[in-house]
Amino acid sequence: GAVVSQHPSRVICKSGTSVKIECRSLDFQATTMFWYRQFPKQSLMLMATSNEGSKATYEQGVEKDKFLINHASLTLSTLTVTSAHPEDSSFYICSARDWTGGATNTEAFFGQGTRLTVV
Amino acid sequence: RKEVEQDPGPFNVPEGATVAFNCTYSNSASQSFFWYRQDCRKEPKLLMSVYSSGNEDGRFTAQLNRASQYISLLIRDSKLSDSATYLCVVNPGSPDGNEKLTFGTGTRLTIIP
Repeated sequence: GAVVSQHPSRVICKSGTSVKIECRSLDFQATTMFWYRQFPKQSLMLMATSNEGSKATYEQGVEKDKFLINHASLTLSTLTVTSAHPEDSSFYICSARDWTGGATNTEAFFGQGTRLTVV
Repeated sequence: RKEVEQDPGPFNVPEGATVAFNCTYSNSASQSFFWYRQDCRKEPKLLMSVYSSGNEDGRFTAQLNRASQYISLLIRDSKLSDSATYLCVVNPGSPDGNEKLTFGTGTRLTIIP
């Protein structure tokens, strides 16, 4: 079945540095990928929708200059957390859906998640 | 009102018991519905889609009530391995076709031996 691969799974960085997270669809093409953030004991919150070949669409309250998204190919989206601060420490997860079959309720596949700790 | 609301629990249930979760959604135009399972510090994984006619997969039964805008999940003969957080997920059917999903906060279930 479809698989989404995300890495790194865990990263610790110093405050003020940037961190790049990669999300790949392994056996299907994804024109759209989604980036979520999850704080402890809270729900997944959609940060942005990554669109292949065009600008990402950010949810209200998410700083596009801080969370840079690039979706340069049909199988890869990257999220860069720029000038990270301790409050950015969270679990970041990407997701994509395989629309190849055309089903309207196609399962969303998630990457393994990246646990970011900013010290 | 939140777009998707769930009782966060925790639900502590003895092994073998039956447990039910409910979830309500605010957007009456929502098109598709899912239950996902998330283990601690892991990514969510699809448990089952929810259809208007209701659907069953082994010990799990999901139902949708569009009139009242709620979704339910029933787990029968619960196992220790069912311990997890169960996420109610709704596709509100965005007009641009992006098919964004909206997640509930999740219901934490612990099965007690």
